[in-house]
Amino acid sequence: DAGVIQSPRHEVTEMGQEVTLRCKPISGHDYLFWYRQTMMRGLELLIYFNNNVPIDDSGMPEDRFSAKMPNASFSTLKIQPSEPRDSAVYFCASSSPTLQETQYFGPGTRLLVL
Amino acid sequence: AQSVTQLGSHVSVSEGALVLLRCNYSSSVPPYLFWYVQYPNQGLQLLLKYTSAATLVKGINGFEAEFKKSETSFHLTKPSAHMSDAAEYFCAVSTKAAGNKLTFGGGTRVLVKP
Repeated sequence: DAGVIQSPRHEVTEMGQEVTLRCKPISGHDYLFWYRQTMMRGLELLIYFNNNVPIDDSGMPEDRFSAKMPNASFSTLKIQPSEPRDSAVYFCASSSPTLQETQYFGPGTRLLVL
Repeated sequence: AQSVTQLGSHVSVSEGALVLLRCNYSSSVPPYLFWYVQYPNQGLQLLLKYTSAATLVKGINGFEAEFKKSETSFHLTKPSAHMSDAAEYFCAVSTKAAGNKLTFGGGTRVLVKP
């Protein structure tokens, strides 16, 4: 299996621009998670899906952030408009209940907003 | 609610010395406990997990952890540090009641001195 795939791996954009991060979970996993990692706040869960349905989005910082999962093999996290404080590494992870909550992480997208 | 506390944000060990990373958790129901490792510029990789079977759990790269309910602890150890163990280590807790949701500690960065 290819593991969790994220794209792009690096993104540099200017403040005010729209940013879209993409994730392909491991085939057969029905949970998908989006995390943000910063030096100041550590690892934060932003939102997670079960069977393509958002279950908990309480970690989404603002209305500028949105996430979708149109099908079992694809999810996006969008920031519009982006701000410098959104600079972070964004991770996607997937899991299955049969794995007893083990989450498998993608390599992350390093976002820099200038 | 569940939470995790990792004592010490940085640990420095000599090559060949014991590695001990401390993790204490809080959970009102039986937890699942995890240790993840993050190498520079990479995603998180599962080291080991406790899921209510044996209390002494062996993981990859010679690491092990012991679940102690009376102490609400899940400390990670390795008898002999190797230079390749330099990384950041995260303890995490989940429960069935939390719906597959992981709560991470703040992380401990390990430096290995030659």
